[in-house]
Amino acid sequence: EIVLTQSPGTLSLSPGERATLSCRASQSVSSSYLAWYQQKPGQAPRLLIYGASSRATGIPDRFSGSGSGTDFTLTISRLEPEDFAVYYCQQYGSSPPETFGQGTKVEIK
Amino acid sequence: EVQLVQSGAEVKKPGESLKISCKGSGYSFTSYWIGWVRQMPGKGLEWMGIIYPGDSDTRYSPSFQGQVTISADKSISTAYLQWSSLKASDTAMYYCARPSAPAAWDAFDIWGQGTMVTVSS
Repeated sequence: EIVLTQSPGTLSLSPGERATLSCRASQSVSSSYLAWYQQKPGQAPRLLIYGASSRATGIPDRFSGSGSGTDFTLTISRLEPEDFAVYYCQQYGSSPPETFGQGTKVEIK
Repeated sequence: EVQLVQSGAEVKKPGESLKISCKGSGYSFTSYWIGWVRQMPGKGLEWMGIIYPGDSDTRYSPSFQGQVTISADKSISTAYLQWSSLKASDTAMYYCARPSAPAAWDAFDIWGQGTMVTVSS
């Protein structure tokens, strides 16, 4: 089973600042099958990034993903008020389970 | 519109059985896997398992194998998650979700609204 470790646990930033979230895998993620989700309180998760770097439909271009192998990054170039939420990475496409990271909370400083 | 609509919140006692549902619409239900994800109160997302309604091929996370049963009825475009004997530790929000590509274990781009299961004596 691939274990995903996200850091930091909490990121305290102000609107307009840049957010950099990390996701490290315990073994190489095949074909960069790595996704990022955003979850706000009381809502289901929303897909942001798939294939490590491709934005899902309707996702603003301030969200970008990068990385390969075992190290992946989600960057939010300039935080908008609606971006304060919890973010999860997920590896998929291989034998089960398709694990999630433990999440990074982006909070208003 | 592609959507997954889940059954409503449940309150059960320990030892009781339960089956919750997830109805797909707006797409070919038999062509896409459907997964189940658990979120315990205040905690993160946990991948439980996934089913392909076309042939009922089902895979489980080792953490959930034997604890739950995933099934589907393609005649009514509905997937299910069931427990034979609930425990207090099963208290959680349960989401169903559909991968973005047919017949593939892809990222989940369509999510149900979630079903809250509360198990308490």
